[in-house]
Amino acid sequence: DGGITQSPKYLFRKEGQNVTLSCEQNLNHDAMYWYRQDPGQGLRLIYYSQIVNDFQKGDIAEGYSVSREKKESFPLTVTSAQKNPTAFYLCASSPQTGGLDTQYFGPGTRLTVL
Amino acid sequence: GQQVMQIPQYQHVQEGEDFTTYCNSSTTLSNIQWYKQRPGGHPVFLIQLVKSGEVKKQKRLTFQFGEAKKNSSLHITATQTTDVGTYFCAGRQGAQKLVFGQGTRLTINP
Repeated sequence: DGGITQSPKYLFRKEGQNVTLSCEQNLNHDAMYWYRQDPGQGLRLIYYSQIVNDFQKGDIAEGYSVSREKKESFPLTVTSAQKNPTAFYLCASSPQTGGLDTQYFGPGTRLTVL
Repeated sequence: GQQVMQIPQYQHVQEGEDFTTYCNSSTTLSNIQWYKQRPGGHPVFLIQLVKSGEVKKQKRLTFQFGEAKKNSSLHITATQTTDVGTYFCAGRQGAQKLVFGQGTRLTINP
């Protein structure tokens, strides 16, 4: 698992509520990422951060927000503006800000919005 | 934007049969990575290919990167039940972010 933790593993929320997913890494990696995975689908990038206090939108950022106040933490907030938030959310980190690096994934959080 | 297409989406084989998944990009890639996700798990890095025409092997797994650096394949010889899972390719164009293919879900009949 590479020292990346995500909590909780399962999360249930009522429609219209914001919810924050936790992601922590102790690998001293510079870059961190949030992906969304739907059943039978690949990984779609929501947001990524290459350094502290900086982050960029991915391919499906609408309805999500992030912060990167500390190198080891990259929480994701799923807002009520996200139309279809039920999905499996994966956080990842990589040791470099670009180039020939690999991504280490956390165990994921399965979010269900009722 | 950059797209990475992966086929087939699903593959069911008998244990002992071979398996191949293919990955194609609309643009030239600087490198390509392969990941495996076990059922209920998270993606785990398998390998990275960088050079045109590169071939790498990991026991029964053979990875290839095309000469034009636009396609790649993963071949598993004599599948075992431990090979079950979804295999993803992920390509990078220059220093841009990784783009993942849709994945190929492999199931095996023992």
